[in-house]
Amino acid sequence: QQQVKQSPQSLIVQKGGISIINCAYENTAFDYFPWYQQFPGKGPALLIAIRPDVSEKKEGRFTISFNKSAKQFSLHIMDSQPGDSATYFCAASRRSQGNLIFGKGTKLSVKP
Amino acid sequence: DAGVIQSPRHEVTEMGQEVTLRCKPISGHDYLFWYRQTMMRGLELLIYFNNNVPIDDSGMPEDRFSAKMPNASFSTLKIQPSEPRDSAVYFCASSLPWRGTDTQYFGPGTRLTVL
Repeated sequence: QQQVKQSPQSLIVQKGGISIINCAYENTAFDYFPWYQQFPGKGPALLIAIRPDVSEKKEGRFTISFNKSAKQFSLHIMDSQPGDSATYFCAASRRSQGNLIFGKGTKLSVKP
Repeated sequence: DAGVIQSPRHEVTEMGQEVTLRCKPISGHDYLFWYRQTMMRGLELLIYFNNNVPIDDSGMPEDRFSAKMPNASFSTLKIQPSEPRDSAVYFCASSLPWRGTDTQYFGPGTRLTVL
């Protein structure tokens, strides 16, 4: 299966709270898991990415948690800010291939 | 670098007309991707090229869609004839040779409306 399942579809968080978005995949051959951020009217842009040899990667307020045995990974946004309001896509790929398989996206709204 | 450039940014056309979307990838990038984004289906990969050669076009919805990359700095996505269900935002993206950690850089997209 090439599918990447993402949840929730939408998320509302208060300023300062933690936003959590989850993704699950089927293909155990996937070995690269990026998250993309998309603002209205813009193209998606890489936010943070992880490879399956580590269980966690942190960049500022953004953290990816990776569970290889469960075939799941998640994005945590700490101290969420109104400027984080955007649509977030998880994705997966194999290094031997050039394409990314994207999840359906999560629209995050951070309320002031 | 100006990033990935797409034109036009908006296109409104009538059903049955030919539509051509254009993309200029980032200089030096070997991979070029065409995506379609809709509310219902999310972000779908249509086709991608490596060194101007189409590698996988399994996402192209039907024969009405065609894509070309005549050189390293230009690609087109053509829809002929267009239908209302083709209305979507079409993105072009490019990346360096794939090493598992290379980023895909997306253009601003072309919003297509077929009446």
